[in-house]
Amino acid sequence: GAVVSQHPSRVICKSGTSVKIECRSLDFQATTMFWYRQFPKQSLMLMATSNEGSKATYEQGVEKDKFLINHASLTLSTLTVTSAHPEDSSFYICSVLPPSGGAADTQYFGPGTRLTVL
Amino acid sequence: GNSVTQMEGPVTLSEEAFLTINCTYTATGYPSLFWYVQYPGEGLQLLLKATKADDKGSNKGFEATYRKETTSFHLEKGSVQVSDSAVYFCALSRGSARQLTFGSGTQLTVLP
Repeated sequence: GAVVSQHPSRVICKSGTSVKIECRSLDFQATTMFWYRQFPKQSLMLMATSNEGSKATYEQGVEKDKFLINHASLTLSTLTVTSAHPEDSSFYICSVLPPSGGAADTQYFGPGTRLTVL
Repeated sequence: GNSVTQMEGPVTLSEEAFLTINCTYTATGYPSLFWYVQYPGEGLQLLLKATKADDKGSNKGFEATYRKETTSFHLEKGSVQVSDSAVYFCALSRGSARQLTFGSGTQLTVLP
């Protein structure tokens, strides 16, 4: 069964509104979650690393005030796209890292959320 | 910085054909290497991984060997099936935060 869920799977909104995307770890508690963005026919680009109980770490070029990340519990991280514009339309994917050590740990990915901003 | 260069697609093969998808990387230190697969309408799934030089990862008939001398991690399968049609991503894991750097992805279509 699914290890990671995302909600909603698809959202259409008007320009200027804010959209919240939830990522839930279903099988284990996760201190670390990641948020990615995927453009059509392109690769996943890491946006930020979400750490439970602390501020997220954003990749260079990602606006932290526009993409608000909250990792309030060990099973839930949220990404809020504030004042969304058409250029924010994309496929947003989260992943969850099991609570163990080592660079070879497998990340478990959510099914993604398709955001369309009109 | 770290980067992954992956064979561009799309790749179209007939069922039972041999598959190779090339992947090379640039990284400091000794990264772990992964192949992820994304089936239509689904999230990414780990296909296989290797953590050190000369390791071979394998799963579902797919194989890839960590070649440090050529900084490569090519994906191979001896006989593809229609159900293998998907997008394949090569990736490396870096640093203590275990963040993934992905290649551009290769779309594979297998025809019956």
